[in-house]
Amino acid sequence: NAGVTQTPKFQVLKTGQSMTLQCAQDMNHNSMYWYRQDPGMGLRLIYYSASEGTTDKGEVPNGYNVSRLNKREFSLRLESAAPSQTSVYFCASREAGARQPQHFGDGTRLSIL
Amino acid sequence: TQLLEQSPQFLSIQEGENLTVYCNSSSVFSSLQWYRQEPGEGPVLLVTVVTGGEVKKLKRLTFQFGDARKDSSLHITAAQPGDTGLYLCAGNTGGFKTIFGAGTRLFVKA
Repeated sequence: NAGVTQTPKFQVLKTGQSMTLQCAQDMNHNSMYWYRQDPGMGLRLIYYSASEGTTDKGEVPNGYNVSRLNKREFSLRLESAAPSQTSVYFCASREAGARQPQHFGDGTRLSIL
Repeated sequence: TQLLEQSPQFLSIQEGENLTVYCNSSSVFSSLQWYRQEPGEGPVLLVTVVTGGEVKKLKRLTFQFGDARKDSSLHITAAQPGDTGLYLCAGNTGGFKTIFGAGTRLFVKA
């Protein structure tokens, strides 16, 4: 089972460039999340999608947009990348009835120069 | 602002030793989760505790949720090098609001 798959695994951007991070899950989960992880800080929620067709802001949504393309896929877009967005980005999913994200991808390591 | 504080931040021990890591908050959580994360990978869910005072065991790992549901501990007995990793706690306050601690980085030397 693939679980949660994120692409790309690594990316370097210049300030002002745009980029879309891709995430897909094969577990038929309704809910999906995007987090960022920075040194010394816990994972912080950027956006989440409770179900196909819905998205909501999390704790740190500024500078990001998301699309829940279908039940499997949830993408994160940086329209104009800034150095403060240098981070490791994780996508996660959870099944109906669970209280927390259960399955995480292996992350996208993004550097903004 | 809700915070989850984990202690210690770093822990380096010899194989066979016991250890406890802590997760504390001033907030009450409806549930609390522990994850382990290895370098280059995403967090892996270990356990969810829901009831105040609840204790769950996973082989050599014992998880406890505080009576007031504001804190939790993870105790590892006879640590092994395979236990090395970043241990994260996360508290859920309802819905999609899950707050993560910064983690305890554990290194077990053979």
